[in-house]
Amino acid sequence: GDSVTQMEGPVTLSEEAFLTINCTYTATGYPSLFWYVQYPGEGLQLLLKATKADDKGSNKGFEATYRKETTSFHLEKGSVQVSDSAVYFCALSPNTGNQFYFGTGTSLTVIP
Amino acid sequence: DAGITQSPRHKVTETGTPVTLRCHQTENHRYMYWYRQDPGHGLRLIHYSYGVKDTDKGEVSDGYSVSRSKTEDFLLTLESATSSQTSVYFCAVSQGSGTGIYEQFFGPGTRLTVL
Repeated sequence: GDSVTQMEGPVTLSEEAFLTINCTYTATGYPSLFWYVQYPGEGLQLLLKATKADDKGSNKGFEATYRKETTSFHLEKGSVQVSDSAVYFCALSPNTGNQFYFGTGTSLTVIP
Repeated sequence: DAGITQSPRHKVTETGTPVTLRCHQTENHRYMYWYRQDPGHGLRLIHYSYGVKDTDKGEVSDGYSVSRSKTEDFLLTLESATSSQTSVYFCAVSQGSGTGIYEQFFGPGTRLTVL
């Protein structure tokens, strides 16, 4: 079935470091892919999305490219800030049916 | 902001008591979902709804029931709460089409403690 696998955390980076959080997916069709962010004590917020192969989603300095050949959607940011400390979830919508599939989340802590 | 509220935001209850959590949305989204979030498990789907009175089970539905009598409200009931149901519960909503659903939007969560 459809699923998402993302890198284990926690990840700790110094401010201004480069961030990559890996996400790979399994899907039988042509899914849409998402990254969500969850700040402490809050619900998940949509960070960015891509709906077809080679699309690049971007928001707040974060980027992810939908790579069908490697079934990946890695999240990147060139220079992280303390305020980026949060849990990041990769997610997939199969574009058929009614469900979403989430990865287990990657906790990021950015230290000054 | 998809206009989603959850109530209560925090609740402490005792084992064996029934508990109902409410999700309310203001933007007429067709799909509504209940998830629970636990350390080490990420988000797990409990139940979802694809229209008024149309609901289906998710991966962890045992011990939970849902109802949706109006588009805007989706209720989650723990029929007889157990300590294993201590968790943070999130409601989510989504639009959709005949070919699938779009991104989900989440409520702020309800922290439930069962003693």
